[in-house]
Amino acid sequence: EPEVTQTPSHQVTQMGQEVILRCVPISNHLYFYWYRQILGQKVEFLVSFYNNEISEKSEIFDDQFSVERPDGSNFTLKIRSTKLEDSAMYFCASKTTGKVQPQHFGDGTRLSIL
Amino acid sequence: AQSVAQPEDQVNVAEGNPLTVKCTYSVSGNPYLFWYVQYPNRGLQFLLKYITGDNLVKGSYGFEAEFNKSQTSFHLKKPSALVSDSALYFCAVGEINTDKLIFGTGTRLQVFP
Repeated sequence: EPEVTQTPSHQVTQMGQEVILRCVPISNHLYFYWYRQILGQKVEFLVSFYNNEISEKSEIFDDQFSVERPDGSNFTLKIRSTKLEDSAMYFCASKTTGKVQPQHFGDGTRLSIL
Repeated sequence: AQSVAQPEDQVNVAEGNPLTVKCTYSVSGNPYLFWYVQYPNRGLQFLLKYITGDNLVKGSYGFEAEFNKSQTSFHLKKPSALVSDSALYFCAVGEINTDKLIFGTGTRLQVFP
């Protein structure tokens, strides 16, 4: 069964540094998402992306965050200047067309900011 | 605003017994409801969804969920629990005018042999 793939599985970065989290969505999916889960807390929506543009974003997704689909397969989340509170598990998700379709999640990237 | 509540942090059940994991929701329109399961160090795995139609929805691994509009609930159930069902379960809600999912805080299911 096709899967959403995320790399790296764990990223350790110094505060203030830029970080790029990478995702390869399921190949025929058209809608892409990033969520995050701070340790011990619930999963929170960050951003959705369709047709090469952001379709919705949360309050968390401020100017330090950006997303890109640089080619036909990758979907990236960039944090420009990381803060301690950015430490979390970041999940990428994708789905095929239609609002009623479930989103399929990757295994996540654990981001640790020192 | 949409919201999801999972009132139990943990549910303990003996193997072979039925299990229920509770979820209530609040949306302004018709809800789309989902259950996901998370195993240690893994992502969220889709179990089942309710969009419309039959209030009893069947999903993966023998799980089912019952939609109750009057009680705004969508409880996850399984007739006979397995030790391998032990994991973290998340209820999520979506709406027609938004593409994001709103998740509950999760319920840890522990099935004892």
